Amino acid sequence: GNSVTQMEGPVTLSEEAFLTINCTYTATGYPSLFWYVQYPGEGLQLLLKATKADDKGSNKGFEATYRKETTSFHLEKGSVQVSDSAVYFCALKVKAAGNKLTFGGGTRVLVKP
Amino acid sequence: NAGVTQTPKFRVLKTGQSMTLLCAQDMNHEYMYWYRQDPGMGLRLIHYSVGEGTTAKGEVPDGYNVSRLKKQNFLLGLESAAPSQTSVYFCASSYDSLLAYEQYFGPGTRLTVT
Repeated sequence: GNSVTQMEGPVTLSEEAFLTINCTYTATGYPSLFWYVQYPGEGLQLLLKATKADDKGSNKGFEATYRKETTSFHLEKGSVQVSDSAVYFCALKVKAAGNKLTFGGGTRVLVKP
Repeated sequence: NAGVTQTPKFRVLKTGQSMTLLCAQDMNHEYMYWYRQDPGMGLRLIHYSVGEGTTAKGEVPDGYNVSRLKKQNFLLGLESAAPSQTSVYFCASSYDSLLAYEQYFGPGTRLTVT
């Protein structure tokens, strides 16, 4: 089946620190990969996506590269801000599974000033 | 532009009571979804709809029913609530299910069953 594994949080870091959130997946088929972000009290928002191997998704200073050889899609940001405090979800879609999203468990990130 | 809205935002039920959660979208999307979010488990798909008048089961459908009588609305019903249904419920919609189309999420409904 399809599954997504993320590093467990919470991840606590200081402002301007480097952030990495690991995400690995298993999929029957060729997936598209997504990172969603959930700010406190809100629904999920798409942060970035990649639809084929070696694609790099980027948005708001965040980046993630689709690595087929390691089945990974790690999220990175070079200098975090307090406003980046949120829960981050890695997810995949596979055509064979009706294009429904499969989510990882989420990683809570807390950035302190 | 409201996007995806959910009613109510919070609810407390006693075991055995029933309720309906309403999701509405104003983006003319064909696809709508109901998820539940539990700590450490991400979001799990309960039911979804590929168009007005259609519904289908997702990953965790037991204990829930849904209806899509109008394109813009997707209702989630709990006929006899159980404590295991304590969760945060999210509705989402998308133009299509194809890989390129993202899902837009509502703000969520926090349900507690005592």
